[in-house]
Amino acid sequence: GAGVSQSPSNKVTEKGKDVELRCDPISGHTALYWYRQSLGQGLEFLIYFQGNSAPDKSGLPSDRFSAERTGGSVSTLTIQRTQQEDSAVYLCASSLVVQGSSGANVLTFGAGSRLTVL
Amino acid sequence: AQSVAQPEDQVNVAEGNPLTVKCTYSVSGNPYLFWYVQYPNRGLQFLLKYITGDNLVKGSYGFEAEFNKSQTSFHLKKPSALVSDSALYFCAVRDSNYQLIWGAGTKLIIKP
Repeated sequence: GAGVSQSPSNKVTEKGKDVELRCDPISGHTALYWYRQSLGQGLEFLIYFQGNSAPDKSGLPSDRFSAERTGGSVSTLTIQRTQQEDSAVYLCASSLVVQGSSGANVLTFGAGSRLTVL
Repeated sequence: AQSVAQPEDQVNVAEGNPLTVKCTYSVSGNPYLFWYVQYPNRGLQFLLKYITGDNLVKGSYGFEAEFNKSQTSFHLKKPSALVSDSALYFCAVRDSNYQLIWGAGTKLIIKP
């Protein structure tokens, strides 16, 4: 697509429920990132995919968080047994990643998925 | 340790005045530096980047940034602020693993 698409744009759930957040990156972008942003604050890195593999999962805050990417395209971030502290905007970004290239790391972000856990 | 600092949580500027949003960094090797902007209720947008070459980099919406190696800074500037420039601004630097390290963000408020 023309941009990075995220769904749902808003999700309200009850504590303890599982949620899935979807990201559809720009076609051809091999790198995909998930970040979390609370109340207009800074970006918290969650996970990074290069193709379908995730070389860096260091940012996932707990084992309730998982993510996968299939076909080198769509990614799903799953939060199990949601807690109130999970409430935030979850941002997805994609980029062309060629190590050593000046084009690397110009990220295109989606509009985000706002998660509210009651 | 590799890091990025945005020392100001908020910057207030009157419309028409010049603006500066500060960023300093610490990274091994040659820095690759970026500025992104986040308008209210929207995702982040790329503004400009410094890779090599001229220390003054021009970007979108009339913004520019000056790379200063001796001061390890990459301040964002604009000669004449607009109310529509009000947003959250993030500085980032690429680390040795080709990943971005993000600053905490600076809220820019332009008053009419």
